[in-house]
Amino acid sequence: GENVEQHPSTLSVQEGDSAVIKCTYSDSASNYFPWYKQELGKGPQLIIDIRSNVGEKKDQRIAVTLNKTAKHFSLHITETQPEDSAVYFCAASTYSSASKIIFGSGTRLSIRP
Amino acid sequence: IAGITQAPTSQILAAGRRMTLRCTQDMRHNAMYWYRQDLGLGLRLIHYSNTAGTTGKGEVPDGYSVSRANTDDFPLTLASAVPSQTSVYFCASSPGTSTGELFFGEGSRLTVL
Repeated sequence: GENVEQHPSTLSVQEGDSAVIKCTYSDSASNYFPWYKQELGKGPQLIIDIRSNVGEKKDQRIAVTLNKTAKHFSLHITETQPEDSAVYFCAASTYSSASKIIFGSGTRLSIRP
Repeated sequence: IAGITQAPTSQILAAGRRMTLRCTQDMRHNAMYWYRQDLGLGLRLIHYSNTAGTTGKGEVPDGYSVSRANTDDFPLTLASAVPSQTSVYFCASSPGTSTGELFFGEGSRLTVL
C-alpha cells in the first residue's frame, strides 16, 4: 500500500523567511496530494491541494510542487507570519477513494519573531 | 456554522471499559471517517463510511467498531479500552467518496489508564 514520508518533523524559521516541507510517496498510482494545516487544539484544515496533471499550484503565499517521476511533493510558504505556526500534514491518494488517503507524520512549523 | 461536532472533547477511561465517541455533522456529507492522531505517526484511518448504512475498515481498525444509521451520525465504539488506544481521535466528513476536501472535527482526547 501507499506510504508517505514527511520531512522535517520540526522546522523553525525567522518571520518573513520561507519555509519548505517535503514529502515522498511510494504508490505510483497516487494522483491527488493535499496539504492540511492543524492549529493548536483544532482539527486539520485543507490549505491547498494538487492533482497529478499539474506540476505546481500557488495560492497567495503558499505553493505546492509535484515531481511525479521522483514521487515527491513539497509545500512552500513565503514571507512567513506568526499565524503560519502550526502542524502541517501532507497526504496522498488516488482519485477513486478518499478512504485510501494516507497522511504523512506531520511537521511542526514555528515562526520566530 | 457547526460543521462537525465531536463529544466528549476529553475523557479519561479505565482499561477494560466501553467507550463511545460521538460525531455529528450538519453538512449532509455522504462520507464520514474516524482517524486517530499519535505523535510521530500522523493521522491514521480507523473506519470509514461512504454512505448511510455502509462502513469499511481503515488502516488500524482492530479494537474499534462504528455504525452509520443515518447521514449525520457516525459513532466510534471501543468495546474494551486498552492503554494503546490513548490518542486524539478526529472525525471527518467529505461530500462524496471520490477524493476531495476532508472536513475535520476538533477532536476527542482519550486517555486509557
